[in-house]
This record gives sequence, structure tokens and C-alpha cells, in this order.
Amino acid sequence: ELKVEQNPLFLSMQEGKNYTIYCNYSTTSDRLYWYRQDPGKSLESLFVLLSNGAVKQEGRLMASLDTKARLSTLHITAAVHDLSATYFCAVNFGNEKLTFGTGTRLTIIP
Amino acid sequence: EPEVTQTPSHQVTQMGQEVILRCVPISNHLYFYWYRQILGQKVEFLVSFYNNEISEKSEIFDDQFSVERPDGSNFTLKIRSTKLEDSAMYFCASSNRGRDEKLFFGSGTQLSVL
Repeated sequence: ELKVEQNPLFLSMQEGKNYTIYCNYSTTSDRLYWYRQDPGKSLESLFVLLSNGAVKQEGRLMASLDTKARLSTLHITAAVHDLSATYFCAVNFGNEKLTFGTGTRLTIIP
Repeated sequence: EPEVTQTPSHQVTQMGQEVILRCVPISNHLYFYWYRQILGQKVEFLVSFYNNEISEKSEIFDDQFSVERPDGSNFTLKIRSTKLEDSAMYFCASSNRGRDEKLFFGSGTQLSVL
């Protein structure tokens, strides 16, 4: 079965702190995507990771992919309130669809 | 920036009725998708569409569902004989190069089946 798991499911962190969200998947893939979703809104693409060792950074967010470990991380540096949202990873297992993780609801508190 | 547009933003229907959800993908995109998200749950793939035909569909996408690209711009999802469990946010998405590129998602249609 094709599975994508994220942890933690819920994360409350203080402004200015660093934290990492983890995304594990069940079988071989070299295509992984991170999306952000604000409450009641659509999905905004953050990163596309297309090879082992890929690392991408945008502002306070950095994503990486280790295809051997079947693991991607989304690292948040010096969190600010604007980063509060639900973050999804999604994996392409060689077909046309994306299999989404359960999501991590991130709340940044002052 | 170009965007995927969906109408309506909210749709309320009675169980057993048919609904059509409409989407206008980004104009130069070739790959089109429907996903849905039941409240508080993860996003689920329904169907992908390329070159005027379905390229892949999930087990959710049974005979109750159909998709169509009736002209050069619109992409529709029809749900026949709606059920209570069809209540969800339905997202249309498009991309230019399929799985090698990010998907652009529309703002969604919230479907409520009563």
C-alpha cells in the first residue's frame, strides 16, 4: 500500500524557534512536494523535490529529500506568526496522482 | 500570476441530485486533475486528465463521477446522484508538465449534500 505519513500532526511553537516536520513514505519515489494550506483556503505549492539529496529554501522554510531513507523534512527557521498554517507533503509514486500526507497543523505563538 | 479558477465556491444540494463543478485551468497547461478533501482530513486524488482523456482514476472515482473538457478552457466534474459522503471540498488542479512540475490548485468548491 502506498502510504505517506507526517509527524507531528499538530505543532505549536514559539516565535523565533526552529523546528522540523517529517514526511515518511512507504515505497520508492524521487518526487516529493510540499504544500501549505491556510484555513478554508486552497493549496499553495512550496517546494518540488525531484531527486535524492535535493534541498530547496525559500525564506524561513527549507525542504530536503532523502530517497534512500524515504524521508523528507521541512525545516522552519526562526518561526514567525505568518507561517501558521497546515503543511502537507505529497508523493508521486510513478503514476499521475499525488498521495498526500495527513498534514501538520502548525501554530506559531508569540 | 495565472491561476486556476473554480465555480461555484459553495454548492448545496439534496441527496440524489446531480451537480457539476466547474474549473478553468491555467491556459497553457496540459494536465488536469480533481482532488477532494473531506473536512479535517487529507487531500485525496480523484482523477487525472490529459490529451482529452482520463489518464488515471482512483477507486473513489466510480461510475457516479465523470469529467469533461467541453471546450478549450473549461474542465468539469459531474457527480450523479450525490450521497451524503460526497460532501467535501473539491479542488481542481493543473500543470504544464505533469508529475515533473508542481500542481496549481484552484480555490475549491465546497460541496454540501443534505
